Amino acid sequence: QQPVQSPQAVILREGEDAVINCSSSKALYSVHWYRQKHGEAPVFLMILLKGGEQKGHEKISASFNEKKQQSSLYLTASQLSYSGTYFCGTAQTGANNLFFGTGTRLTVIP
Amino acid sequence: ETGVTQSPTHLIKTRGQQVTLRCSSQSGHNTVSWYQQALGQGPQFIFQYYREEENGRGNFPPRFSGLQFPNYSSELNVNALELDDSALYLCASSRSGRVSYEQYFGPGTRLTVT
Repeated sequence: QQPVQSPQAVILREGEDAVINCSSSKALYSVHWYRQKHGEAPVFLMILLKGGEQKGHEKISASFNEKKQQSSLYLTASQLSYSGTYFCGTAQTGANNLFFGTGTRLTVIP
Repeated sequence: ETGVTQSPTHLIKTRGQQVTLRCSSQSGHNTVSWYQQALGQGPQFIFQYYREEENGRGNFPPRFSGLQFPNYSSELNVNALELDDSALYLCASSRSGRVSYEQYFGPGTRLTVT
């Protein structure tokens, strides 16, 4: 039930854009996105719910395709602070736990 | 608003020993979920406590057990430690056990089993 993330790693220059994808083989109720820097706790970015509701930071955008069980995180005009590993966590209807992907390592260089 | 805290930060134990990890939830949160994160992997769900009751469990053996207290802080206990238990243990608190609520993670406890 672990979601699959792509790409596994990406390197960007400051100001460039990136898209990180998360897909599941199961019907999903919610998708949660986190960023984790080395040696630190995962930081909540956004949650997307079946039906279209979204909660998260204003500067982060994401989409959730309920038919395809896919979510994408859009990082625009990247900054050095965006570097880290991005995880998606997925949950099915009626579940109370998240399954996390293996992460996407994002590196932003000057 | 106080965030999620965990103690200790680091711990070294010997195979076969027992360990207790602690987590204080964020103010206003009644749910704590525990995760194990191996190096280079995503967090893996151990179990969740909601209002002092276990509210779901992942694929972990019974030697992983937990508690939640009336103030919603929580403990994770691991008995008969094995080398593969070496990992970062994260707790996350949320307003509810439902997955429609965001979870906020603590800084983690790094456990090394030798």
